[in-house]
Amino acid sequence: KQEVTQIPAALSVPEGENLVLNCSFTDSAIYNLQWFRQDPGKGLTSLLLIQSSQREQTSGRLNASLDKSSGRSTLYIAASQPGDSATYLCAVTDTNFNKFYFGSGTKLNVKP
Amino acid sequence: EAGVAQSPRYKIIEKRQSVAFWCNPISGHATLYWYQQILGQGPKLLIQFQNNGVVDDSQLPKDRFSAERLKGVDSTLKIQPAKLEDSAVYLCASSYRAGYTFGSGTRLTVV
Repeated sequence: KQEVTQIPAALSVPEGENLVLNCSFTDSAIYNLQWFRQDPGKGLTSLLLIQSSQREQTSGRLNASLDKSSGRSTLYIAASQPGDSATYLCAVTDTNFNKFYFGSGTKLNVKP
Repeated sequence: EAGVAQSPRYKIIEKRQSVAFWCNPISGHATLYWYQQILGQGPKLLIQFQNNGVVDDSQLPKDRFSAERLKGVDSTLKIQPAKLEDSAVYLCASSYRAGYTFGSGTRLTVV
């Protein structure tokens, strides 16, 4: 059974810092990996999607990498801002029916 | 395009009562999912539909939870009777090929 782990569970940084969130998964037979953002009381917003054949994806200040063979992904946030404060969830989809397996998330707080 | 619609947004019930949630997916999305997200955890898949057929309900507590997707469009998720540990956000999502969209969820509090 696929297990997804995110480290750290919580992170507090001053504004302007670059930071890295980590995600690991136990079964490398994935279809894709996705990073989501979740604000309190809200649904999930997709940030970056990496297909299993890709190594990384970039969107603005965000860069996500994927090393499928080692079962790891990182989300790099450059020049963090208070508006980046949220919970970041990593999820992998299996190769059969496209269902997500989620990690427990990293709660990020960016202090002004 | 309109997003995934869910209602109600919030619900507070007493334990042993019943409750139902409704989801309207994006038009044309054949696959619909219900996830349960307990506070501090990631979402966990409860049930997955392909059109109006169930693909995976292995983590659905079938003694108290039920779900249906009539005509392959809207879906309802029901809990009867509710327990305290059912307090969570219930997220609906729909997908078509690689496109995947989540609704805003229904926050259930069981007291």
